Amino acid sequence: ILNVEQSPQSLHVQEGDSTSFTCSFPSSNFYALHWYRWETAKSPEALFVMTLNGDEKKKGRISATLNTKEGYSYLYIKGSQPEDSATYLCAPLPGGSYIPTFGRGTSLIVHP
Amino acid sequence: DAGITQSPRHKVTETGTPVTLRCHQTENHRYMYWYRQDPGHGLRLIHYSYGVKDTDKGEVSDGYSVSRSKTEDFLLTLESATSSQTSVYFCAISESLGDRVDYGYTFGSGTRLTVV
Repeated sequence: ILNVEQSPQSLHVQEGDSTSFTCSFPSSNFYALHWYRWETAKSPEALFVMTLNGDEKKKGRISATLNTKEGYSYLYIKGSQPEDSATYLCAPLPGGSYIPTFGRGTSLIVHP
Repeated sequence: DAGITQSPRHKVTETGTPVTLRCHQTENHRYMYWYRQDPGHGLRLIHYSYGVKDTDKGEVSDGYSVSRSKTEDFLLTLESATSSQTSVYFCAISESLGDRVDYGYTFGSGTRLTVV
């Protein structure tokens, strides 16, 4: 079981603000990392799968970076919109088991 | 979610009774997983399956058993439900282990189980 830390735990921003949050994980035995978006009363949906140090993925206004050497990933949202309100989960996968350990998530609320 | 359904969506049961939750997929994915989600915790893995009749324990497997007799169905059984098993249970599927391709896991809509 990996020690996965996501920060902050929750975040309130105004519409139009850009924001970012962090996922920290053990840098040893890294295989891949998933980011998920989880809206209230729905199920988690995959945003990104990241594998290589220095990876940068982008989907619309959301992007993510990965640093496997120091064990962290950032998720960025540019120009937040109310529909971005959700909990964002990261899940690193270690080599060997290849089973992800989920962080507790960052809850983002975007106020109109 | 397309290709994966969980049943029932909600269930209230009494302490000590057996309960079975069902996960059904139409994607023909090899790997299936059961997670539970509780306040203050991330999604925690209960059991997973890597093929028909092939299963393994996860982080919080005590009190749970699973079975997979067909590719499409993964059953989670609480042999004797306890109040600590009140939770939301999610099933997930993946085509490969670790899923390095750009689509991660696909989750079902969840089953809210209350043990009274």
